Amino acid sequence: NAGVTQTPKFQVLKTGQSMTLQCAQDMNHNSMYWYRQDPGMGLRLIYYSASEGTTDKGEVPNGYNVSRLNKREFSLRLESAAPSQTSVYFCASSEYTSGHNEQFFGPGTRLTVL
Amino acid sequence: GEDVEQSLFLSVREGDSSVINCTYTDSSSTYLYWYKQEPGAGLQLLTYIFSNMDMKQDQRLTVLLNKKDKHLSLRIADTQTGDSAIYFCAEKTGGGNKLTFGTGTQLKVEL
Repeated sequence: NAGVTQTPKFQVLKTGQSMTLQCAQDMNHNSMYWYRQDPGMGLRLIYYSASEGTTDKGEVPNGYNVSRLNKREFSLRLESAAPSQTSVYFCASSEYTSGHNEQFFGPGTRLTVL
Repeated sequence: GEDVEQSLFLSVREGDSSVINCTYTDSSSTYLYWYKQEPGAGLQLLTYIFSNMDMKQDQRLTVLLNKKDKHLSLRIADTQTGDSAIYFCAEKTGGGNKLTFGTGTQLKVEL
């Protein structure tokens, strides 16, 4: 089992360029998440998908779009990148449950916007 | 609203105990978590506690929960250099499956 995989690992963009961050999980989880991590601010939820076919905004959704392509894959798109989107992006997945909810994280994508 | 706070840095000597603290504001939290992030990696779950418990022990880790004060702590006994990492607390609230993460505490273990 690979767990949660993310591509690419590193990316440098110019302001205004677009790109899509890819995420896939092989644990048959229903729920998937995109976070960004910035120094001193912890992890902030961008978007999540509770189950296949649904997506919802998190705490910081502006400037991003997502697609839950199928149960395995959840992509994050930056349509017009801005320097404020320089960050480390993490994808995570979990079972959907009312009880204990362990989220499994990918290794992250380090994005720099010039 | 949901807000989870942690101090940003902690430095300890190898062999000492480390105590990482966290405060949260949502009294409806059902589960509280501690995640560990090693350099250049994603987060991994260390341990968690259900909100009706006061304490949970797991080998070198002890989690204490003071629900009245909305305070969570993680104690690491006999801290080793391999424990150097960022530690995040997180809370799960309500019936959904989202977590709210704290700002993270960078633990540095010195020889």
